[in-house]
Amino acid sequence: AQKVTQAQTEISVVEKEDVTLDCVYETRDTTYYLFWYKQPPSGELVFLIRRNSFDEQNEISGRYSWNFQKSTSSFNFTITASQVVDSAVYFCALSEANDYKLSFGAGTTVTVRA
Amino acid sequence: DSGVTQTPKHLITATGQRVTLRCSPRSGDLSVYWYQQSLDQGLQFLIQYYNGEERAKGNILERFSAQQFPDLHSELNLSSLELGDSALYFCASSPSGTGGAYGYTFGSGTRLTVV
Repeated sequence: AQKVTQAQTEISVVEKEDVTLDCVYETRDTTYYLFWYKQPPSGELVFLIRRNSFDEQNEISGRYSWNFQKSTSSFNFTITASQVVDSAVYFCALSEANDYKLSFGAGTTVTVRA
Repeated sequence: DSGVTQTPKHLITATGQRVTLRCSPRSGDLSVYWYQQSLDQGLQFLIQYYNGEERAKGNILERFSAQQFPDLHSELNLSSLELGDSALYFCASSPSGTGGAYGYTFGSGTRLTVV
């Protein structure tokens, strides 16, 4: 069974602060894929990153960075120098190699105040 | 524009009614997935179709059904609607039957309000 836990329900920061979103996953498969999606107030799901289980390199894309640690089954997401436009719900998700569906965590609501 | 088209964007209907949500996948994608996002249940997988065949079922109610047509568009039918069916319904597509390796592309969703 898959399970994705996002323990932080809501995070509120002041603009320019860094914010880290935690994601812990459970799977028995050795091959799996991890995702982060952003859902702004307009409601659509915006793809941010996909990482497979064999690639533990951290990734940086602009102000976004991801830390994947198989030893702790975590795939954390950091927004550096947050901006008001980063205010959204962020979802971590897991898909096993031979499974069909994407299993989502409960999401973390990030509010960035000016 | 993600390439996945969902219509309508908004739908308001009364309890007991039936509605149809439509999804056109990204060009070249063979799989379509339906998800329901409600306040109390989060994002829940409903059903997947691959190249016209049902591939997997999740937490889909018996009042709900779906199909994928030869042109690969999919429809989600919701009947005997209840207030609790009010939610955002997403469609996603992927090139293969297992989306992890290739990723999932989501549409912008249909917001259903049952009154």
